[in-house]
Amino acid sequence: EVQLVQSGGGLVKPGGSLRLSCAASGFTFNTYSMDWVRQAPGKGLEWLSSISSTSSYIYYADSVKGRFTISRDNAKNSLYLQMNSLRVEDTAVYFCARDPGITGTTELDYWGQGTLVTVPS
Amino acid sequence: QSVLTQPPSVSAAPGQKVTISCSGSSSNIGNNYVSWYQQLPGMVPKLLIYGNNNRPSGIPDRFSGSKSGTSATLGITGLQTGDEADYYCGTWDSSLSAMLFGGGTKLTVL
Repeated sequence: EVQLVQSGGGLVKPGGSLRLSCAASGFTFNTYSMDWVRQAPGKGLEWLSSISSTSSYIYYADSVKGRFTISRDNAKNSLYLQMNSLRVEDTAVYFCARDPGITGTTELDYWGQGTLVTVPS
Repeated sequence: QSVLTQPPSVSAAPGQKVTISCSGSSSNIGNNYVSWYQQLPGMVPKLLIYGNNNRPSGIPDRFSGSKSGTSATLGITGLQTGDEADYYCGTWDSSLSAMLFGGGTKLTVL
């Protein structure tokens, strides 16, 4: 069974940093691209970042470019999102998700349970 | 405001059919595959359609997808109250080198 178990959310002051983790199991992690998506309270989905299976290709949304860093450790079957210079508008539930790469276009077939990051004003 | 445009809400009666549109441009929908996601209240998003019109294992054939030019459509037949959810389209944008989601459509089954 594919599982993505997230950890690392919480309350952080503006300008602070936080690292999210996503532990994968039930599939061959090192053959899949992985993504981060967030959802602000009461809002829609916002894609943040994608990393290819070998970390060769990394992409970011403009809203987090230069502040967030995606990474993975295939030996530990884990995905990470390092978030720096956090802003009030970064308050959201953050999801990790698997990209099976079936079509060559990003589609996200399994999602983590989500973790809440709160940056108070 | 999302680059991919969806109607904020749609509604229909149980047993009826509904369609949800997703409009984009040549840099996204026009040249890339579209996926659709269902997010039930308080739940994690779920992949409904990938590759414009393919259903993952376990998704009933009441759900269908199509694409024409720079627009895509999600269709749901035989509506059930359990289908009440937010629905999002998604695709890659080749100009932005980023994935995009539509703003989401709230489906109400009256």
